[in-house]
Formats: sequence, C-alpha cells, structure tokens
Amino acid sequence: DTAVSQTPKYLVTQMGNDKSIKCEQNLGHDTMYWYKQDSKKFLKIMFSYNNKELIINETVPNRFSPKSPDKAHLNLHINSLELGDSAVYFCASSQSGRLNTEAFFGQGTRLTVV
Amino acid sequence: AQSVTQLGSHVSVSEGALVLLRCNYSSSVPPYLFWYVQYPNQGLQLLLKYTSAATLVKGINGFEAEFKKSETSFHLTKPSAHMSDAAEYFCAVSGQRGAQKLVFGQGTRLTINP
Repeated sequence: DTAVSQTPKYLVTQMGNDKSIKCEQNLGHDTMYWYKQDSKKFLKIMFSYNNKELIINETVPNRFSPKSPDKAHLNLHINSLELGDSAVYFCASSQSGRLNTEAFFGQGTRLTVV
Repeated sequence: AQSVTQLGSHVSVSEGALVLLRCNYSSSVPPYLFWYVQYPNQGLQLLLKYTSAATLVKGINGFEAEFKKSETSFHLTKPSAHMSDAAEYFCAVSGQRGAQKLVFGQGTRLTINP
C-alpha cells in the first residue's frame, strides 16, 4: 500500500488555468506538507498543516491555496497558473510531537505550465 | 534560522569505491539531521537520521553518516559504491520549535562509473 499518494503524477496545463493536486496519506500522521522542487532540484517547503490547521506558510503567492479536509488529506489548488509555477510538487507527512521524526514523501507531481 | 550546504553538486565515483557526500549545517538550536535519496522520477526516501542518541548513524543500503558538532557536519559515506546508488542525495535539517520543517541542501548528484 502506498503511504503517501499524490494525483496526478503529471500535469500539463496552459497559463492562466486553475489546477488542483491531491494528496492522501494512510500512515495515521497528523502533519502534512507541500514542498516545491524547482528545475535545479532545490526543495523548499511551501505549507504545513497539523490536524487540519495551517502552521507554516512560507511566503507563497496567494494563488496557491492548500486545503485539508481531514488529517489524511492535503490538497493544493493553484489559480491563474504562471510559467514559473512549473516544478515538481511533493506532498509529505509526519507525526508531530518529536522534532526528530522523519517526513514521508509522495512520488511527486510534475507540473508543466505552457 | 537553519541552513544546509552540500559541497559538490555532482560527485562521480567508480563502482566499488568509497562514497563521500558532504553536508554542513547551520542551526541556532540543536539540529536534527537527515539524509534523503531521490531516484529518477521518484519521491524522496529516508536514508538515515541523526537523533542525538549516537553520533555515528547507520542507514539503509550500507550508508552511514557521522555527526560532528565541532565541524557542524553530517557527511554521508558508503565503503563500496554500487551502480544502484546512482541518485540525487539531499541533506536536511530540522529543529525549529513548534513546527516540523525540513530545510534542504541543494542536493548532490551521485554518478557511479562501471
């Protein structure tokens, strides 16, 4: 069984469109994240949710809106897509309460804006 | 603020040779350190983590890392490289109180020569 699953795996869309990426984890974790990996492979956190509450928002444009309907799901909606949004987006989850606990990552969603 | 620097964006070794991937960190609080591996078109997989229980940490696939506080380093090693080790390797630090947030280095691409 996949621990952290994202859909879709690939997403090609035109500038100006609105798109969503879905993420689900079956690990029973209470914290979920979105990370962005750019074309140079650099990974940076975008958002973090703990028990459906937003706890980290790393100065991401307002066009990006995460939504967590429950602890097991964290979706990412992007409005008015721009060329610079092209990247690989990773969902991850972990269990809070211990700073040394590792995050488990999904397979990533490669977003290409044309 | 926390940061990670990985020395060498690309490391190339021969099969059977020693692998050494360098990671230096900066943290104002006691750090928790991680090494992740990313195979092509896949998500990140945890190799090992430093949790302050022991300075020499053993991970999966024969990798290990040593935490050296005096040098603010957490270098990753493997005695004998295998072709299957070819991948992108990321060092990451966390430790921000109240939130789990991984700060990644820029990654090191490991190439194995036959």
